[in-house]
Amino acid sequence: GEEVAQTPKHLVRGEGQKAKLYCAPIKGHSYVFWYQQVLKNEFKFLISFQNENVFDETGMPKERFSAKCLPNSPCSLEIQATKLEDSAVYFCASSQDRAAEAFFGQGTRLTVV
Amino acid sequence: GEDVEQSLFLSVREGDSSVINCTYTDSSSTYLYWYKQEPGAGLQLLTYIFSNMDMKQDQRLTVLLNKKDKHLSLRIADTQTGDSAIYFCAESGAPMNRDDKIIFGKGTRLHILP
Repeated sequence: GEEVAQTPKHLVRGEGQKAKLYCAPIKGHSYVFWYQQVLKNEFKFLISFQNENVFDETGMPKERFSAKCLPNSPCSLEIQATKLEDSAVYFCASSQDRAAEAFFGQGTRLTVV
Repeated sequence: GEDVEQSLFLSVREGDSSVINCTYTDSSSTYLYWYKQEPGAGLQLLTYIFSNMDMKQDQRLTVLLNKKDKHLSLRIADTQTGDSAIYFCAESGAPMNRDDKIIFGKGTRLHILP
């Protein structure tokens, strides 16, 4: 597609439940990034992929967070046993090369109650 | 590490020009971006500039890059109420480094006065 598609737009989970977010990058883009936007608008980098391979995971919390980008499937970000502080908007972006303009999806707003 | 700084608020009268400024620290940045985020909405890529350019103009938007001072600005001519949003400066693309994720500033909230 011509835009980064993220689903769902909104997700509400009870504390301790699992949350799974999806991202379909722009067709032909090799790089996928996940960001978490918390209060005060700050963007926290989580993880990036080059095709289906993890490229940089320095931002991923060691526990509970995992992500995949498998061939012919949307990329996914999964949070096991969600906590209140996981409430945020999660943005996915894709780019054609490592150093290329990055386009963002509309985000998934995760609310943990 | 890399850092992107921008002022948090800007108020401008409708019809005037808005200038949003940003400074960054990574001299190896390849792309410098301006994103717009309206309340409750996603990130819209407004414009970007490649680091070997000084200026880029796109309709009402003008981006100026001073690479020596690591200063980036976004000028919006004839500011309209629809321009009310948070504007994020960001940089990315240090191909020589493995660490080339997109680094964002904290955003400048643009408020339009009637």
